[in-house]
Amino acid sequence: ETGVTQSPTHLIKTRGQQVTLRCSSQSGHNTVSWYQQALGQGPQFIFQYYREEENGRGNFPPRFSGLQFPNYSSELNVNALELDDSALYLCASSLASGGKHEQFFGPGTRLTVL
Amino acid sequence: AQRVTQPEKLLSVFKGAPVELKCNYSYSGSPELFWYVQYSRQRLQLLLRHISRESIKGFTADLNKGETSFHLKKPFAQEEDSAMYYCALKRDNTGKLIFGQGTTLQVKP
Repeated sequence: ETGVTQSPTHLIKTRGQQVTLRCSSQSGHNTVSWYQQALGQGPQFIFQYYREEENGRGNFPPRFSGLQFPNYSSELNVNALELDDSALYLCASSLASGGKHEQFFGPGTRLTVL
Repeated sequence: AQRVTQPEKLLSVFKGAPVELKCNYSYSGSPELFWYVQYSRQRLQLLLRHISRESIKGFTADLNKGETSFHLKKPFAQEEDSAMYYCALKRDNTGKLIFGQGTTLQVKP
């Protein structure tokens, strides 16, 4: 059984650029949630995807968007990057969207915006 | 508004001392609460959830609806308990987790 993986591990972008982060869910999981964790803060929910559809969104602007693919892997896209987007981005997968199942977290992608 | 508050950024205790990591929440419905832990250089992982009423690695947490608290306790701290601990609230059935800011537990030898 493979755990949740994320790529890249870290990257550096400049203001105004666009970025795509990737997440492979744990084997057998069909739900992916994305979180943003700023330095010294707890993770903040961005959105969740269940069977390729967005299923819940946190308080993030539309320039944060996502996709889920038929194999349940997922992408997080951020357009028009701002300095405050610098954070650790965590992906978590689970078996179903109802929240009854444990979310398993990936190691995160560290994004730095200069 | 749903919110989770962990009032202590850092809790430092000696090995063998009791530990209590505080967590308070605000939520209008019936909450489901969790404790997550992140050991050094490892990923975030679930420690325990209130509905399970279990003890994991000697840790327990009781949901107190009157005080809207879900404090994490361990009677005798071990050095390997040193980590970052996050309290989290699950909102409705979407699986969305609302996290507190986290408390670093440092267990000194």
